[in-house]
Amino acid sequence: GQQVMQIPQYQHVQEGEDFTTYCNSSTTLSNIQWYKQRPGGHPVFLIQLVKSGEVKKQKRLTFQFGEAKKNSSLHITATQTTDVGTYFCAGRMGYGNKLVFGAGTILRVKS
Amino acid sequence: DGGITQSPKYLFRKEGQNVTLSCEQNLNHDAMYWYRQDPGQGLRLIYYSQIVNDFQKGDIAEGYSVSREKKESFPLTVTSAQKNPTAFYLCASSGQFGLSDEQFFGPGTRLTVL
Repeated sequence: GQQVMQIPQYQHVQEGEDFTTYCNSSTTLSNIQWYKQRPGGHPVFLIQLVKSGEVKKQKRLTFQFGEAKKNSSLHITATQTTDVGTYFCAGRMGYGNKLVFGAGTILRVKS
Repeated sequence: DGGITQSPKYLFRKEGQNVTLSCEQNLNHDAMYWYRQDPGQGLRLIYYSQIVNDFQKGDIAEGYSVSREKKESFPLTVTSAQKNPTAFYLCASSGQFGLSDEQFFGPGTRLTVL
């Protein structure tokens, strides 16, 4: 079936270092969403990207949507211990279709 | 306080027994979803419902069943036919299916089959 590939699977960083997770789809996406799941919690919506080449920022988080609308990234600047969790991307392959979630990237931050 | 509730948080069942997981939302959302989450894997869609009295199979529907008799409720039954039912189950809702709406997730139910 349709898949959204997400890398890396796991990343362990020192507090203050930057972090990036990447999503790739073989199919053009109509939009992509990002979610964060804290350990023991449930996914919480962070943001949605719709336009080709779109860049959005939320404080230390920067989200990008590729020009071809087949890839996306989430970059965290100067990680903090509160950033720990699993970050999921979820792509929609055409309006009217369901979201397809990536496998997630687990972020651990050493203080 | 609007949101999605799932109960119970932890559930233990013996192998061969059917079990029903509850999901209720008071967000007035049309669309509801059930996902399964296993360690190291993303969220896999089990069933979804675009509107009351309607539902469709997701990617891993075998061994599961659902109903959508009320807009607020979307219970999931894990049947004895599900070969590996131990997992974390998440219910979600969104304003409308297939549009750009964000999905709101419940706290999840962790099912362990002994």
